[in-house]
Amino acid sequence: AQTVTQSQPEMSVQEAETVTLSCTYDTSESDYYLFWYKQPPSRQMILVIRQEAYKQQNATENRFSVNFQKAAKSFSLKISDSQLGDAAMYFCAYRSGRGAQKLVFGQGTRLTINP
Amino acid sequence: DADVTQTPRNRITKTGKRIMLECSQTKGHDRMYWYRQDPGLGLRLIYYSFDVKDINKGEISDGYSVSRQAQAKFSLSLESAIPNQTALYFCATSDGSGRGDTQYFGPGTRLTVL
Repeated sequence: AQTVTQSQPEMSVQEAETVTLSCTYDTSESDYYLFWYKQPPSRQMILVIRQEAYKQQNATENRFSVNFQKAAKSFSLKISDSQLGDAAMYFCAYRSGRGAQKLVFGQGTRLTINP
Repeated sequence: DADVTQTPRNRITKTGKRIMLECSQTKGHDRMYWYRQDPGLGLRLIYYSFDVKDINKGEISDGYSVSRQAQAKFSLSLESAIPNQTALYFCATSDGSGRGDTQYFGPGTRLTVL
């Protein structure tokens, strides 16, 4: 079974600076997708960014980018120019490219932005 | 209006009571999911459904049941609630159009079992 590990329960960063959240996963599959979801205090789960395993290019969405290292099974999220609104719980998730295609989540990292 | 809605948003109940959490979506998606979120454990899949006649157990289905009343509605029931079912519950949908289709989440239901 696939597993996802987020080894940083909490992180903090100064406003306007850059922070990187770590995620590793374990799988024997070659066809899969990776996601970062944000959960602000409102509890809503919001998709931040997604990465297809077959793509070598790292995904980018405005201030959010990933460092996808397929061989190392690592999928980190970089947030540039951190803003107060980025404060949230961040979850890394894995999804197989076949079968039930259900999401497997990491434990989450709580990000605090210091003004 | 939200595409995925959940009712109730918050619920407090007692041990042994039957509880139903409801999920509705206007996204026109075929696939619907129920997840449970516990601190330090992330979200875990309870049940999922690919259409009205296709319902499957997830990772932690014991103590739960589901009903897919229509393409747009997917309900989660706790037949006899117990305190360790206290958690945040999320419904999600996806269109199943491609191998990497995205799941969209409802606002969550916080359930407390006393």
